[in-house]
Amino acid sequence: NAGVTQTPKFQVLKTGQSMTLQCAQDMNHNSMYWYRQDPGMGLRLIYYSASEGTTDKGEVPNGYNVSRLNKREFSLRLESAAPSQTSVYFCASSEAQRPSHNQPQHFGDGTRLSIL
Amino acid sequence: QKEVEQNSGPLSVPEGAIASLNCTYSDRGSQSFFWYRQYSGKSPELIMFIYSNGDKEDGRFTAQLNKASQYVSLLIRDSQPSDSATYLCAVIRVTGGFKTIFGAGTRLFVKA
Repeated sequence: NAGVTQTPKFQVLKTGQSMTLQCAQDMNHNSMYWYRQDPGMGLRLIYYSASEGTTDKGEVPNGYNVSRLNKREFSLRLESAAPSQTSVYFCASSEAQRPSHNQPQHFGDGTRLSIL
Repeated sequence: QKEVEQNSGPLSVPEGAIASLNCTYSDRGSQSFFWYRQYSGKSPELIMFIYSNGDKEDGRFTAQLNKASQYVSLLIRDSQPSDSATYLCAVIRVTGGFKTIFGAGTRLFVKA
């Protein structure tokens, strides 16, 4: 079972470049999430999508955009990358449309992004 | 004050000992609580969840929840070197809409 698949796994960008991080899940989950993880900061929610066709801002949305292309795919775009966006990015999915005690989030392997 | 607080560690315990990991949260209305394990360079994986006061056991792991004191803990019995990882506490906050809030994690090191 693939679960949650993220591409690419590693990427180096120059300041000002744009790129899209891809995420796909094969568990027929309703909700999908994008997090960034920085040392000492834990996982911080960037954007989430409770269902196909809906997206909402999380804790740190500035500098990012998202697209819920269909039920399986949820992409994260950096329009003009900045060094402060150097981080590890995780995509996650959950069956529930909102956080639920018995439907935890399943995470992809992450994308390690460095912006010079 | 962070919404979910964990001691960053590292917490070092000898093999076979009990490791105790703690987490406190600020929103009294929080409903459900998760413990994830994250090995270095890997993604978080769920260990267990708890939503009622008291203890919940799963193999060598026991989660403890005290809503009155707003803390949740994870005990790992018979700790093994393979348990060495960062443990993330996550809380479903209800105030302001259902959101999952993660703590920064506690690094656990089990010495062989």
